[in-house]
Amino acid sequence: DADVTQTPRNRITKTGKRIMLECSQTKGHDRMYWYRQDPGLGLRLIYYSFDVKDINKGEISDGYSVSRQAQAKFSLSLESAIPNQTALYFCATSDSGQDYNEQFFGPGTRLTVL
Amino acid sequence: AQKVTQAQTEISVVEKEDVTLDCVYETRDTTYYLFWYKQPPSGELVFLIRRNSFDEQNEISGRYSWNFQKSTSSFNFTITASQVVDSAVYFCALRTVYTGTASKLTFGTGTRLQVTL
Repeated sequence: DADVTQTPRNRITKTGKRIMLECSQTKGHDRMYWYRQDPGLGLRLIYYSFDVKDINKGEISDGYSVSRQAQAKFSLSLESAIPNQTALYFCATSDSGQDYNEQFFGPGTRLTVL
Repeated sequence: AQKVTQAQTEISVVEKEDVTLDCVYETRDTTYYLFWYKQPPSGELVFLIRRNSFDEQNEISGRYSWNFQKSTSSFNFTITASQVVDSAVYFCALRTVYTGTASKLTFGTGTRLQVTL
């Protein structure tokens, strides 16, 4: 079984709809992250969480919100989706106990907003 | 601020050719980590290597090798005798240690490698 899972894997929605992307991990890591990937732009950080009570904005948080329901779960919401939020979304986890803090990525969620 | 530049947007080679993917980074921190990830057509991100700023030894893993040079702020990746299965987008990433509370990775924009028969 995968250590970091994302649901759904693919989603097509319409402008104005509320969408939630979910991420679960079994690695026991305390830190979790949401990134989006756009062609030619690499991955950009949306939000990150260092523990259940710690949520921080990344470089492109406008239009998004998150919820850390438990150490193992970190959800990303688009309150009112717009077409330029069409992208590939990745969840990642890392262990604060590791100095190098390698991040482990989920398989990605491909979101299309029409 | 930290930045990672992968100037090569796309590279095409014929199988068995050697290919080098360039990565140049910027940071004011003296302690940092550099990473390479592979993203095959299936979309997932596959971790390839991690290197810390105090270890300038080059590394070889099978057909893959990495050349880390602090003097030029570069962490280049070479694939020897490329294969079609190497076709993917490759990302270089930087994590500095002392960036406030952030433990985030800064990614380059990626280099798409196409290996043909």
